[in-house]
Amino acid sequence: KQEVTQIPAALSVPEGENLVLNCSFTDSAIYNLQWFRQDPGKGLTSLLLIQSSQREQTSGRLNASLDKSSGRSTLYIAASQPGDSATYLCAALRGDRGGSEKLVFGKGMKLTVNP
Amino acid sequence: KAGVTQTPRYLIKTRGQQVTLSCSPISGHRSVSWYQQTPGQGLQFLFEYFSETQRNKGNFPGRFSGRQFSNSRSEMNVSTLELGDSALYLCASSFDTQSGNTIYFGEGSWLTVV
Repeated sequence: KQEVTQIPAALSVPEGENLVLNCSFTDSAIYNLQWFRQDPGKGLTSLLLIQSSQREQTSGRLNASLDKSSGRSTLYIAASQPGDSATYLCAALRGDRGGSEKLVFGKGMKLTVNP
Repeated sequence: KAGVTQTPRYLIKTRGQQVTLSCSPISGHRSVSWYQQTPGQGLQFLFEYFSETQRNKGNFPGRFSGRQFSNSRSEMNVSTLELGDSALYLCASSFDTQSGNTIYFGEGSWLTVV
């Protein structure tokens, strides 16, 4: 059974810091790993998707890496801003019988960037 | 390009009632999944539909059901509501089951059971 863990559950930092958010998963047989952002009272916004065959993906100030062998993914946020304050979730996509796929989510990490 | 649309956004129901939530996926997407989000359990998979067929179901009681229509729109139903069903219900769509496709979420439906 796939389990996804995000530690710590919350992080508070001053503006401008470079951040590293960690995600670990127990089953390396994943199709891909996706990072999401959730603002209070909102749905999930996809940030980055890393295929199982890839090592990293970049979008603006965000960089995500994937190491399947160690069961880890990292989201790197450069030069953090107050607008980055949100809950960040990682999710591993695994296949199930019947060809379906489902996301297994971590509990998320609540980030607060202070001006 | 319109995103994933969920209705209603907020609703309050009484224990024992039933509720139906609706989801319109992104145009062209055939896969629709449903997730429940609660503070204690986080995000949990409910079920996934593809071309009107349920292909996978999470560990939820039979009170939770869903369906998908020919236009890919999906509905989920919860019967005999319990207080513990209070949650944010999120719908997600993707192009198909191939692993390379990003999964997009709607804003969710906030259900409160009193």
